[in-house]
This record gives sequence, C-alpha cells and structure tokens, in this order.
Amino acid sequence: QKEVEQNSGPLSVPEGAIASLNCTYSDRGSQSFFWYRQYSGKSPELIMFIYSNGDKEDGRFTAQLNKASQYVSLLIRDSQPSDSATYLCAVIAGGTSYGKLTFGQGTILTVHP
Amino acid sequence: EAEVAQSPRYKITEKSQAVAFWCDPISGHATLYWYRQILGQGPELLVQFQDESVVDDSQLPKDRFSAERLKGVDSTLKIQPAELGDSAMYLCASSRGGQNNSPLHFGNGTRLTVT
Repeated sequence: QKEVEQNSGPLSVPEGAIASLNCTYSDRGSQSFFWYRQYSGKSPELIMFIYSNGDKEDGRFTAQLNKASQYVSLLIRDSQPSDSATYLCAVIAGGTSYGKLTFGQGTILTVHP
Repeated sequence: EAEVAQSPRYKITEKSQAVAFWCDPISGHATLYWYRQILGQGPELLVQFQDESVVDDSQLPKDRFSAERLKGVDSTLKIQPAELGDSAMYLCASSRGGQNNSPLHFGNGTRLTVT
C-alpha cells in the first residue's frame, strides 16, 4: 500500500463547477497535510495546509480532513481554466521527529470553458 | 517574497558523466530537501537536511548520488556516473523546520536529461 494515494485522473470539470480532489494516507499517526498545485514544467506551489479534523477554507479552496478515515480532500469552487494543473497531496508522517513529507502521485485537473 | 534558488534550470548530459545541482534555500530555513520527480509521478524525497546534518537519505542511491550542505546553508547534489534513468526534474525545497508542520517552499527545479 502506498503511503499517500490519489486518484490519478484526469479529472475534467466545466468552468464554474466544483472540482473535488481526494487523497488517502496509510500512516494513522500523520499530523500535517498539504495540497500543492503544479503547472506543467513548473515546481509545486503550496495551496493549503490543514492540521485538524474538519474543514479549512481559503478563498475558492476548501481542504477537508478526516483523520478517522485517513482521508483528506480539496474542493475548488467556481473552477477556472487557470486551475488546470496537477494537484499533489502531501503528508507528514507522525513517526519521525524531522517531518518527512511524502507526496501522492498527483491528480491532473482540467477545467474546460 | 524570498525564494529558493536552484541552478542550473536545465542540464543535458551523456550517460556515465558527472553532473551537479546547486540549491540556496530561503534565508533562515533550517531544513533543506532534495526531491526527484519523474514525469507523471509525484516528487520522491532523495535527501533531507536539518542544518548541516542528513536526517533522511533512505531513498538516495548512494552508489552514484551524493549530497552535502557543509555550512548548513546552500547545498549541492551530485550524480556520478549519470544513467539514462536519472532523467527527471530535481527539486530543492526548504522549510523553517523545528516542527513537523512547516510548509515546504520549492525552487524552480533543474530538468536533467541524460542521453
């Protein structure tokens, strides 16, 4: 079982719709969860981070964390063509003191006009 | 906003040659990471430094890869000899460290092509 798993997609949504990206992780002791966006040929950029169960909202983005189910998601409201990118889920495992960040394989999102 | 600096942006080398990448983290960031990203996959951690010390190099192919951060600031990643399978994006990132939830900030990466 991979440490961090994402649906590889591609996920295609129309402009203005809600895009839902999902991620599961295997280490129940994981404490910190991140979503990065990566445009083709570019490096990842941080979108959101979440540490506690529940929802965290930032503009059009909402991160949702359910530690009991070992599940974290990212919702993008009012999707725009500029949101088309690969979205990477990343998790810091709980078993290390130095914060090893492990990435999923990424989900490709396409927002079409 | 401060950035992580990496060079070169692109590197083409022949197999069996040596290649080196350089990274300068954001000032004050104690933790430095080197990741490798193969096209279509997520980044994979190669080595993680806390100040000048290696805290994780479990996925670093030590027969050909080496990394150093001698003064706890900038870092160099070396491959010798390069193999065709080393073609990838090499990403450097840094964080404040000291706690497990400090976000990582990435540099622009070095795209390596081995021919």
